[in-house]
Amino acid sequence: SQQGEEDPQALSIQEGENATMNCSYKTSINNLQWYRQNSGRGLVHLILIRSNEREKHSGRLRVTLDTSKKSSSLLITASRAADTASYFCATVVTGTASKLTFGTGTRLQVTL
Amino acid sequence: EAGVAQSPRYKIIEKRQSVAFWCNPISGHATLYWYQQILGQGPKLLIQFQNNGVVDDSQLPKDRFSAERLKGVDSTLKIQPAKLEDSAVYLCASSLVPWTMNTGELFFGEGSRLTVL
Repeated sequence: SQQGEEDPQALSIQEGENATMNCSYKTSINNLQWYRQNSGRGLVHLILIRSNEREKHSGRLRVTLDTSKKSSSLLITASRAADTASYFCATVVTGTASKLTFGTGTRLQVTL
Repeated sequence: EAGVAQSPRYKIIEKRQSVAFWCNPISGHATLYWYQQILGQGPKLLIQFQNNGVVDDSQLPKDRFSAERLKGVDSTLKIQPAKLEDSAVYLCASSLVPWTMNTGELFFGEGSRLTVL
């Protein structure tokens, strides 16, 4: 079963706009990670946020984590056509060592 | 640094036939994962190895799927006999973090796309 549910399932924006994706999960976690997947390719790690962190930045990416609401958001600022991909949140559930469970994904389309 | 290598990239078989996928993780990565990704869905963990031991195989359909990681390096995933619903991309990933630690990122291969007719 999927631990995380992403919202929206699909998002279409224009280049230069910001894109926000949300992830909700069900059980207590050690950390939450975001991955990108270009069409027909493997997943690439973007950013990791630990359960005791509330916000993290990496370049044009900003991730927030609210453990009380069991939710996270990924913000991509000033989006580019090259950001077109599927984005997945993944969680390491407390007590499951390094088992990473993925959500359902958000398909982002950035148009020129 | 070489990434995670997988082969074959594409495979088409008839139902009830068998298929095997191979994965070579990043050198020195102790943990290896096999995920199944059905079109339009997120990856689902099939099996996780720590060196050559199985950490988690709770979602592996053991009546038809098997996996091994001999010598704690390369791994093979086998499906026998295949069903139509096995059509998916099989992703291999590896991690530097041992299973006793609760952090770390996964490095994925390009995947092996299986079509069962």
